[in-house]
Amino acid sequence: KQEVTQIPAALSVPEGENLVLNCSFTDSAIYNLQWFRQDPGKGLTSLLLIQSSQREQTSGRLNASLDKSSGRSTLYIAASQPGDSATYLCAVVHMNNNAGNMLTFGGGTRLMVKP
Amino acid sequence: DTEVTQTPKHLVMGMTNKKSLKCEQHMGHRAMYWYKQKAKKPPELMFVYSYEKLSINESVPSRFSPECPNSSLLNLHLHALQPEDSALYLCASSPTVEAGGGSSTDTQYFGPGTRLTVL
Repeated sequence: KQEVTQIPAALSVPEGENLVLNCSFTDSAIYNLQWFRQDPGKGLTSLLLIQSSQREQTSGRLNASLDKSSGRSTLYIAASQPGDSATYLCAVVHMNNNAGNMLTFGGGTRLMVKP
Repeated sequence: DTEVTQTPKHLVMGMTNKKSLKCEQHMGHRAMYWYKQKAKKPPELMFVYSYEKLSINESVPSRFSPECPNSSLLNLHLHALQPEDSALYLCASSPTVEAGGGSSTDTQYFGPGTRLTVL
């Protein structure tokens, strides 16, 4: 059974710092890996999706890498801002023959960026 | 339109009430999902519909009853809930893939959720 772990569980940094969030998974037979952002009490917003054949994806100040063989992904946030404060969830996608894409989520990293 | 909508945003109900949550998407997706999320926990999958048919039930108690009337709409009927069922209920959709098909770029699109409180 796929297990996804995120470290750290919580992180508090001053504004402007570059930071790295970590995600590890136990089964490398994945289709892709996604990073989501969730604000308190809200739904999930997809930030980056890395296909299994890719090594990284970038969007603005965000860069996500994937090392499928070692079961790891990192989300790099450059020049953090208070508006980046949220919970970041990593999820791996595996195929279920009956129901399409199935997501297995990590426990999330709660990020607080202080002004 | 890349939006999944959910109504209501908030719902408070007693343990004897019957209520329903609604989810809608107009992206032509044929897979739809219900998740339950407790505070400070990741979403937990409850049900999956593929081509309007229930394909996965993750051992969810029968007091939760899903329904997919058409390809754009997904309901979750609630009856005789317990206080521990209070949570954020998230709906998601994705382009359906059949066995062996699909694209590795497929993603699930999430709605904003319904915050449910059971008194």
